[in-house]
Amino acid sequence: GAGVSQTPSNKVTEKGKYVELRCDPISGHTALYWYRQSLGQGPEFLIYFQGTGAADDSGLPNDRFFAVRPEGSVSTLKIQRTERGDSAVYLCASSLTRDYNEQFFGPGTRLTVL
Amino acid sequence: SQELEQSPQSLIVQEGKNLTINCTSSKTLYGLYWYKQKYGEGLIFLMMLQKGGEEKSHEKITAKLDEKKQQSSLHITASQPSHAGIYLCGADRYEGGSNYKLTFGKGTLLTVNP
Repeated sequence: GAGVSQTPSNKVTEKGKYVELRCDPISGHTALYWYRQSLGQGPEFLIYFQGTGAADDSGLPNDRFFAVRPEGSVSTLKIQRTERGDSAVYLCASSLTRDYNEQFFGPGTRLTVL
Repeated sequence: SQELEQSPQSLIVQEGKNLTINCTSSKTLYGLYWYKQKYGEGLIFLMMLQKGGEEKSHEKITAKLDEKKQQSSLHITASQPSHAGIYLCGADRYEGGSNYKLTFGKGTLLTVNP
């Protein structure tokens, strides 16, 4: 497909478990972003990749959250020792470059921590 | 941090009516983005504004950025059920309009009754 894809679309896990969320950006897009959206709120920035490197991870809430993009394309957001407060929709976006104005968003992964 | 206030929080209109959604910032907006979101889906880019007094239109949707670059409005003419969804304004923090690290308002939920 031509758009940003995210898997899984829904993830239910138990408190304390480890989860991985995957993002496939649009082919050729060098910039990739992760956001988190809680109910009734706008998306909040988590981390930004330019190529393979995390250029800005200032939005990650704590060290339980980690993201990688080893080949400069697919990215994985990893959450260790999940907590109920981690429940949210995790959105991925990509753009052609950092300075290209339009960020294309994926459908998101809805994470529920029981 | 740059905070964006959106008003109203929710809006119900009859099909065919016009409506306006506002987005206000306490700081100068260097790049203001409007997105639409439907439940369970990602954000769909609508428009981006950078210059004071700028106005852009796409189909029946018009977005404006005021001269002081602290307020933007989104106007829908002759609303249709397909316009229903959550409208989000977002802003990047850096002068020059670079596409990076968007900060979003909480969104406006629009319902259009047939």
